[in-house]
Amino acid sequence: AQSVAQPEDQVNVAEGNPLTVKCTYSVSGNPYLFWYVQYPNRGLQFLLKYITGDNLVKGSYGFEAEFNKSQTSFHLKKPSALVSDSALYFCAVRGQNYGQNFVFGPGTRLSVLP
Amino acid sequence: SQTIHQWPATLVQPVGSPLSLECTVEGTSNPNLYWYRQAAGRGLQLLFYSVGIGQISSEVPQNLSASRPQDRQFILSSKKLLLSDSGFYLCAWTPGPSTLHFGNGTRLTVT
Repeated sequence: AQSVAQPEDQVNVAEGNPLTVKCTYSVSGNPYLFWYVQYPNRGLQFLLKYITGDNLVKGSYGFEAEFNKSQTSFHLKKPSALVSDSALYFCAVRGQNYGQNFVFGPGTRLSVLP
Repeated sequence: SQTIHQWPATLVQPVGSPLSLECTVEGTSNPNLYWYRQAAGRGLQLLFYSVGIGQISSEVPQNLSASRPQDRQFILSSKKLLLSDSGFYLCAWTPGPSTLHFGNGTRLTVT
């Protein structure tokens, strides 16, 4: 069965400091991996995805994520956090086998302190 | 370009009343469509998904049902709402195995 873990409910970081939001996954076969961000009372916005190729993926708003197959991880990173990055972040996985649906992690709330 | 519309944005309904939430996608054909529920601003629960007209798969047996009367229309319904149906309902679509795109959601409060 597919699963996603985001071990931190909350991440606090000072503005200007680097941020990391952690994600590990379990899936049969090769994964498609995604990061989404959600602002209050809004739908989820796509940030970036890993399908194949380079393990370092760059996405919207200066975010990037690194796919690590041996550790089954896909951590989200940003070199310099902004107060406006404060939001709820979701990691998701989908197996590349036909019929497998998206599975989301429980979410990590990021607070960037001025 | 493709867009997804979901309405209403907010809804307050009494217990026992019916529910109908609608979602439409523009600019694409034969999308995979999804209904998710988010409780207390955290995790997403997949409720239904559809790979074509009239084809509905239910992930969690409950008080809700879904229908897909047209290719780009997905409807979430209930005959009698329960207090536990309160939550944030999200419609989403994808053209295939890649990126899932979400609507802006409906905040449902059952009183």
